[in-house]
Amino acid sequence: KNEVEQSPQNLTAQEGEFITINCSYSVGISALHWLQQHPGGGIVSLFMLSSGKKKHGRLIATINIQEKHSSLHITATQTTDVGTYFCAGQGGSEKLVFGKGMKLTVNP
Amino acid sequence: EAGVTQFPSHSVIEKGQTVTLRCDPISGHDNLYWYRRVMGKEIKFLLHFVKESKQDESGMPNNRFLAERTGGTYSTLKVQPAELEDSGVYFCASSQELAPLLEQYFGPGTRLTVT
Repeated sequence: KNEVEQSPQNLTAQEGEFITINCSYSVGISALHWLQQHPGGGIVSLFMLSSGKKKHGRLIATINIQEKHSSLHITATQTTDVGTYFCAGQGGSEKLVFGKGMKLTVNP
Repeated sequence: EAGVTQFPSHSVIEKGQTVTLRCDPISGHDNLYWYRRVMGKEIKFLLHFVKESKQDESGMPNNRFLAERTGGTYSTLKVQPAELEDSGVYFCASSQELAPLLEQYFGPGTRLTVT
């Protein structure tokens, strides 16, 4: 059983739509990362969270430590947001444990 | 400042051949990680170097995989002999000195295709 679970696995949004990607994680994970893999293959780190909420442009990430749950919100999705979004947990060993990813498609 | 670089970007080899992937971390980053994403599945950890030492190699799938980081700078990941199931994208990431909750900076990945 994966220590990090994501939902949904696929999402198709209309341009301009507000979307949410959810991530649940198990004990032993002290920080939660959100990353995006672009269609070309490269991975970009979006956020690293251990508490609270972070915002960067149209992206907002939140974490609830008690419930072991994190969400990534994209306000007003654009076609440039397409790709696969991963949440990954980081524990004491520092390695990242990834969820299965969520593939985002955006229709213009 | 240059980011994490990987070479080659894409490699196509036949089953049984050998391939060596290279990762150059961000200058000054002591931590170097290898991950891979096989057949559209989740990205999985392979191993972690701190400088030239292997800190954690629990994710290495078998002894056909050999990682080195001579001098604590760049790292190589050799697959010998390659099998069909090794196809996937191999990512390298680096971070600064040993401390909790470090942001890892990822390279663009090497897409390996074994035919």
